[in-house]
Amino acid sequence: NAGVTQTPKFRVLKTGQSMTLLCAQDMNHEYMYWYRQDPGMGLRLIHYSVGEGTTAKGEVPDGYNVSRLKKQNFLLGLESAAPSQTSVYFCASSRRGPGDTQYFGPGTRLTVL
Amino acid sequence: GQSLEQPSEVTAVEGAIVQINCTYQTSGFYGLSWYQQHDGGAPTFLSYNALDGLEETGRFSSFLSRSDSYGYLLLQELQMKDSASYFCAVWRDDKIIFGKGTRLHILP
Repeated sequence: NAGVTQTPKFRVLKTGQSMTLLCAQDMNHEYMYWYRQDPGMGLRLIHYSVGEGTTAKGEVPDGYNVSRLKKQNFLLGLESAAPSQTSVYFCASSRRGPGDTQYFGPGTRLTVL
Repeated sequence: GQSLEQPSEVTAVEGAIVQINCTYQTSGFYGLSWYQQHDGGAPTFLSYNALDGLEETGRFSSFLSRSDSYGYLLLQELQMKDSASYFCAVWRDDKIIFGKGTRLHILP
């Protein structure tokens, strides 16, 4: 099992460009999450999904969109990147709710110039 | 508001015991989780307290007291590989809130 994988690992964007981050899990988990982590900070939840075809807003959803067309994939989109979105993005999945063990991907380091 | 407070840094000696505290101002949450994160790595799950009391998993134990709005992570027989950041997190309904993390330094 690969667990949770994220693509790409690194990316540099210019302000106003768009991109999609892909998260995939092979554990048949219902719940998936997107977090961002800024230096010296904890994780902040951007969006999450409780099952295929569902998405919901987290703590910091502005400027991001998500889709979960397939159970194993959770996509995070930035329509018009801003320097404030420079961060490390982590995807996670869990079998049940957030209190269940969350398995994290390796992260995507995004820089917006 | 809702927030979790953790010490920013803790230093301990290899082989010793260290306690990392987490206090919160969040009501009605379902449980308290702890995660470990090494530099440049992804967070990994350590423990979860759904009920008050102590949960033990090997060298790690976690405690929760809802009446005191307080929890802690206890690490025993510290090893150099335990040098990392530790985050507490609470969740309820659609909210998952993480503390800013405690950086654990271990001296040989």
